[in-house]
Amino acid sequence: KAGVTQTPRYLIKTRGQQVTLSCSPISGHRSVSWYQQTPGQGLQFLFEYFSETQRNKGNFPGRFSGRQFSNSRSEMNVSTLELGDSALYLCASSLSVGGGSYEQYFGPGTRLTVT
Amino acid sequence: GDSVTQMEGPVTLSEEAFLTINCTYTATGYPSLFWYVQYPGEGLQLLLKATKADDKGSNKGFEATYRKETTSFHLEKGSVQVSDSAVYFCALWDGQNFVFGPGTRLSVLP
Repeated sequence: KAGVTQTPRYLIKTRGQQVTLSCSPISGHRSVSWYQQTPGQGLQFLFEYFSETQRNKGNFPGRFSGRQFSNSRSEMNVSTLELGDSALYLCASSLSVGGGSYEQYFGPGTRLTVT
Repeated sequence: GDSVTQMEGPVTLSEEAFLTINCTYTATGYPSLFWYVQYPGEGLQLLLKATKADDKGSNKGFEATYRKETTSFHLEKGSVQVSDSAVYFCALWDGQNFVFGPGTRLSVLP
């Protein structure tokens, strides 16, 4: 079974631009979560989508948004990029609906550099 | 809210040394507990998990026991290898949110 895939793997953008990152979950997984990883802040939860609906949201500004399609693929968008948005963005998919063990399977990440 | 605390790194060990990475958590209810590992340039991989008190998760020689009385989930390995060099994350799932610790970098020297 193929793992979680993320595209692109690397991205360089300029301040003020916007960017869209894509995530394809493991086949059959309906939950997709997004995380931002930086050396200073560690791993921070952005949001989670389940069946095309945002189910949970972290503490990030409205410039960060996402969506999920009917095939469970998800996209994350960051508008008006700032230097501080430079990070590794990780996507994780899960089979579980909730409760019990909630195993997340991570993709390799998209390394975003804002100049 | 829920939180996960890990020992400060980096941790540097010689090959075949014994490893312990401490993890404690704060949560209401009975969360599921996980250890994830991140190798350089890669995403996180699930290492092991435990879903209830006194459960022991194990994988690739690593072990961790869910201790409800001390709210801990310490990671141990009897004999580390150079290939174990990575960042290790302790995490919990409380039924609604997934919370990660800050990560502990492990370097194993030959």
